Amino acid sequence: DAMVIQNPRYQVTQFGKPVTLSCSQTLNHNVMYWYQQKSSQAPKLLFHYYDKDFNNEADTPDNFQSRRPNTSFCFLDIRSPGLGDTAMYLCATSPGTYLAKNIQYFGAGTRLSVL
Amino acid sequence: QKEVEQNSGPLSVPEGAIASLNCTYSDRVSQSFFWYRQYSGKSPELIMSIYSNGDKEDGRFTAQLNKASQYVSLLIRDSQPSDSATYLCAALPSGTYKYIFGTGTRLKVLA
Repeated sequence: DAMVIQNPRYQVTQFGKPVTLSCSQTLNHNVMYWYQQKSSQAPKLLFHYYDKDFNNEADTPDNFQSRRPNTSFCFLDIRSPGLGDTAMYLCATSPGTYLAKNIQYFGAGTRLSVL
Repeated sequence: QKEVEQNSGPLSVPEGAIASLNCTYSDRVSQSFFWYRQYSGKSPELIMSIYSNGDKEDGRFTAQLNKASQYVSLLIRDSQPSDSATYLCAALPSGTYKYIFGTGTRLKVLA
């Protein structure tokens, strides 16, 4: 059973047209992450939440926003997508303990194309 | 120096051989390490995690951690064409929830 679910799997949008990607989890994990991954590159962390505490990466463009209305759901909003935002967007969760075994689980990803 | 480094490959091995994937890391990120497999166009899938010095085996996979030399490796025995993918090494530094990823090594298993 899928534990981290992303919707939609594929999204095509026009340049400048806002888009929202969603992520839900059944693991009851404290931490939720959003990554951007471009072809042949490592996943790049955009931001993460510990519970409701939001943590933005310094180099995440202002164009990217996020909401976490409850433990289970997290959203990525791209306010004015540019061509350079075409990428796979990955949602992940982890228990959020400082124990070594803090394993991160990924959703299937949303492939976003900006035309 | 990057905090987690991998050779981008491709690493080509014949079917049935042992594939050896390596990852080096800096002092700051040393606590826990994870190997993910990522097929083209798919999301990363956890293969192994390792926290202590030494070897950890799971089926055809063995993870090795050497903290003195600051490297972690993944051995895949009896490699199959279905193992062809990009393998991402990730580190979780102590006291943080932020994982540091290497750029991945592309593995090709030749039938």
